[in-house]
Amino acid sequence: QVLLVQSGAEVKKPGSSVKVSCEASAATFSTYAISWVRQAPGQGLEWMGGIIPIFGAANSAQKFQGRLTITADTSTSTAYLELSNLTSADTAVYYCARVGYTGSSGRVFDYWGQGTLVTVSS
Amino acid sequence: DIQMTQSPSSLSASVGDRVTITCQASQDITNYLNWYQQKPGKAPKLLIYDASNLATGVPSRFSGSGSGTDFIFTISSLEPEDFATYYCQQYDNFALFTFGPGTKVDIK
Repeated sequence: QVLLVQSGAEVKKPGSSVKVSCEASAATFSTYAISWVRQAPGQGLEWMGGIIPIFGAANSAQKFQGRLTITADTSTSTAYLELSNLTSADTAVYYCARVGYTGSSGRVFDYWGQGTLVTVSS
Repeated sequence: DIQMTQSPSSLSASVGDRVTITCQASQDITNYLNWYQQKPGKAPKLLIYDASNLATGVPSRFSGSGSGTDFIFTISSLEPEDFATYYCQQYDNFALFTFGPGTKVDIK
């Protein structure tokens, strides 16, 4: 069974940074990319970025470029999302997801972590 | 960036109803279109991939169609457990993903 286990809830001050972790199995880490998706309260899903752990290659949505860092530690099969310069608009549940492959070169988020609530409040 | 729209944003339906949701991409995405179901407090669940393929273990009352820019998601006969929010999601050749804004299906 594929499991993605995320770190616990965080409360942060505006202007600070948060780092969320996502631990996967070694098999997942050696074969698949990991993406990060967030969901503000009562809002929809928003893809933030992702990483291919074995290559360390990361990309992100243009909206987050400059304050989003996605990394991976292959020795512990853990991916990290770090978001800086937080504002109240960053209050959301942050999910990691495994990026699976389809038969026609498409990509899907086939397994998800349990989510990590990040609250930004003064 | 590719933008996704969905309609309707919400709908009310009864058990046994046929439900149809549309999703439109701002440019041609061939068939790189997936559908997810999300229930309150839970992570999304993959239902349909590559526009029309049923994910493993998903009931056959769910289906999808379309290609290019216009896509349709259908629940042929709504079950009580289907009341949820549904999202389309595209994947492009630059390894970027975009979700649609979602469609909430609730009980009439």
